[in-house]
Amino acid sequence: DTEVTQTPKHLVMGMTNKKSLKCEQHMGHRAMYWYKQKAKKPPELMFVYSYEKLSINESVPSRFSPECPNSSLLNLHLHALQPEDSALYLCASSPQQRDTQYFGPGTRLTVL
Amino acid sequence: RKEVEQDPGPFNVPEGATVAFNCTYSNSASQSFFWYRQDCRKEPKLLMSVYSSGNEDGRFTAQLNRASQYISLLIRDSKLSDSATYLCVVNTRYSGGGADGLTFGKGTHLIIQP
Repeated sequence: DTEVTQTPKHLVMGMTNKKSLKCEQHMGHRAMYWYKQKAKKPPELMFVYSYEKLSINESVPSRFSPECPNSSLLNLHLHALQPEDSALYLCASSPQQRDTQYFGPGTRLTVL
Repeated sequence: RKEVEQDPGPFNVPEGATVAFNCTYSNSASQSFFWYRQDCRKEPKLLMSVYSSGNEDGRFTAQLNRASQYISLLIRDSKLSDSATYLCVVNTRYSGGGADGLTFGKGTHLIIQP
């Protein structure tokens, strides 16, 4: 199993909603990542978890709240988002933090 | 200075031709280098890692020049299915010590024409 899965594939939410994005991998990887990608731009790193501990937070607004319940799961909790937060949110994992990363298919988020 | 720089293209290349992309990076302490491929509205997929000795995978050859902080990708006998955006990716040591992440170039858009 060399797959990173993400749910949901698409999400539309209002600015007052609370929602969560989920990511799962069963490759035994110990590093997991959240990226944000706007159209025609490269992915931008948001958060890195290593051994279930947050190791990097790239100055992401607090309306995005990551959570790593166990070594296979990574969540991104969303609250009070803005329309400019609409983007493709990508999850990735790697064996260790410096290793090759494997990406999930992403969640396409639209904030109305 | 941007951390990872690439020519955005687009590169319009006839099928069967050879095409080369270049990328420069600013952090001399970077230790891992990759080329990823991204199709429209899809996630990035690893194409190949890049090693100092250079490496080849079928029609694809990657080279790293640490002295010049320069990475290249060569595609031979290009196919229509090679049309995509090619992302140059470099490992970055973040402030605070001990934490690494990847920095992506903006990507080079390749269009293979029949």
